[in-house]
Amino acid sequence: TQLLEQSPQFLSIQEGENLTVYCNSSSVFSSLQWYRQEPGEGPVLLVTVVTGGEVKKLKRLTFQFGDARKDSSLHITAAQPGDTGLYLCAGAKAAGNKLTFGGGTRVLVKP
Amino acid sequence: GAVVSQHPSWVICKSGTSVKIECRSLDFQATTMFWYRQFPKQSLMLMATSNEGSKATYEQGVEKDKFLINHASLTLSTLTVTSAHPEDSSFYICSASRPGLAGGPGDTQYFGPGTRLTVL
Repeated sequence: TQLLEQSPQFLSIQEGENLTVYCNSSSVFSSLQWYRQEPGEGPVLLVTVVTGGEVKKLKRLTFQFGDARKDSSLHITAAQPGDTGLYLCAGAKAAGNKLTFGGGTRVLVKP
Repeated sequence: GAVVSQHPSWVICKSGTSVKIECRSLDFQATTMFWYRQFPKQSLMLMATSNEGSKATYEQGVEKDKFLINHASLTLSTLTVTSAHPEDSSFYICSASRPGLAGGPGDTQYFGPGTRLTVL
């Protein structure tokens, strides 16, 4: 059983549509990171959220950290084929502590 | 900033041989580095935490005598897969923990590009 549950596992949408990826846990995290990984490459950090209720925007990507710091979501507006990839959430229990990764959400944006 | 490199990017070896993978933080010092393993279409699985100047901490189920980790300096950690077998074939990824700024989000892990190991 994974400490961080991501849903959905796979998402296939048309260019221009919106999508949301969820990351849920019964545990509290001091911080939560979102990464995007492309095949054959390492994960690239998108954002770090640390405050309950925090919302961060990165162009068409909106990240939210739950009030209780147990869950997070990633929303992509007007998805583009370049958004295709594996999206991973990862939580840390304390600063400098190891990360626990969710199972990942594979996103495919078709032109 | 915050660039992490891995070498080699891919390696093919015969069963029974040993393979060393290097992880370097290029523009910052990392007292802690992490080693992950990733199977196709799966998420990252933490193998061990590597601390500069001390022994690595291995996750449950990871054989420390098979996966030797050395963190010789603040910018270099190595993972050696000893007596490799075909089931060790995988994508190995390292990350380096960069200390956060005061008042910021704390340490952040930056990942290397990964090393694909194929054991014949």
